[in-house]
Amino acid sequence: KAGVTQTPRYLIKTRGQQVTLSCSPISGHRSVSWYQQTPGQGLQFLFEYFSETQRNKGNFPGRFSGRQFSNSRSEMNVSTLELGDSALYLCASRISQGNQETQYFGPGTRLLVL
Amino acid sequence: GNSVTQMEGPVTLSEEAFLTINCTYTATGYPSLFWYVQYPGEGLQLLLKATKADDKGSNKGFEATYRKETTSFHLEKGSVQVSDSAVYFCALMGSNYKLTFGKGTLLTVNP
Repeated sequence: KAGVTQTPRYLIKTRGQQVTLSCSPISGHRSVSWYQQTPGQGLQFLFEYFSETQRNKGNFPGRFSGRQFSNSRSEMNVSTLELGDSALYLCASRISQGNQETQYFGPGTRLLVL
Repeated sequence: GNSVTQMEGPVTLSEEAFLTINCTYTATGYPSLFWYVQYPGEGLQLLLKATKADDKGSNKGFEATYRKETTSFHLEKGSVQVSDSAVYFCALMGSNYKLTFGKGTLLTVNP
């Protein structure tokens, strides 16, 4: 079974631009979560989507948003990019059935904001 | 809120040495506990997990036991290899299915 895939793997943007990252979960997984990883703040939860609905949201400004499609694929969008948004963005999927709560991560999208 | 504290690195060991990375947590309720590993330039890979007190997770020679009385989930391996060099993250998942991570421990194993 294919793992979690994320596109693109690398991205360079300039301040003020916006960016959209994509995540395809493991087949059959219905929940997708997004995390930001930076050297200073470590791994921080952004949000979780399940059945096209945002179920949880971390402590990030409204510039960070996401959505989930009917096939469980998810996108996250960051508008008005700031230098501090440079990070590795990780997507994780979970089957979301009973106690099948393990999250499986993709390889990440490395975003550099100049 | 939930939090995870793991030992600061970096940790440098010789091949075949014994490894311990300490991890303690603060959480309400009964969280599940995880160890993830991150190799350079890659995402996180699940190493092992435990979902209730006294459970022992194990994989590839690594072990960790869920100790509710000491709120700990220390990672151990009896004999490390060069290929174990990576960053190790302890994490917990509470009832909201959000993962809370420790800051990570960089392990370097020298031949």
